[in-house]
Amino acid sequence: RKEVEQDPGPFNVPEGATVAFNCTYSNSASQSFFWYRQDCRKEPKLLMSVYSSGNEDGRFTAQLNRASQYISLLIRDSKLSDSATYLCAVNINTGGFKTIFGAGTRLFVKA
Amino acid sequence: DADVTQTPRNRITKTGKRIMLECSQTKGHDRMYWYRQDPGLGLRLIYYSFDVKDINKGEISDGYSVSRQAQAKFSLSLESAIPNQTALYFCATEGYNYGYTFGSGTRLTVV
Repeated sequence: RKEVEQDPGPFNVPEGATVAFNCTYSNSASQSFFWYRQDCRKEPKLLMSVYSSGNEDGRFTAQLNRASQYISLLIRDSKLSDSATYLCAVNINTGGFKTIFGAGTRLFVKA
Repeated sequence: DADVTQTPRNRITKTGKRIMLECSQTKGHDRMYWYRQDPGLGLRLIYYSFDVKDINKGEISDGYSVSRQAQAKFSLSLESAIPNQTALYFCATEGYNYGYTFGSGTRLTVV
């Protein structure tokens, strides 16, 4: 089993839709969590950190469920410009910190 | 200037050639990383460095070497390139537990 898993998608949604992605992790020593956005042939860019209490940035909401060991990303009112691949990342404390990236979920928002 | 700069952006090289990918950062962070990304496999860690005197192997270090010339500079070398090293390579830096900043990537093709 991979340490960090994501549904690869693709998710095809119309503009204005709400879409949610999950990312599961297997290591209970995971301590911090992030979502990145990656456009085609570009570098990943940090979208948001994920806090235990959940956090929101405009149309984006990230949540952490430690009991079930997953994080989620909710995008409301999808825009064409949201089309990208969304990567989750988990920092694991193994004596030193190790970051594991998920393989990403592709999102296509259609007009 | 970009926070993390990678050179070259694109490179085509022949099997058996030595090639160096360079990375510099202006974030002032101690931690630097080299990843490769292949379709469907996500980001895989090649090498990482937590300070100038610290070099660590990642999950796929065979066939690669690195040099941390200064806090701001971290280069990746392929001693004898082979076709399955064809990939998109990213350098990244990290402020402690605050997420990664990636360079714009080097697209390497080994023929």
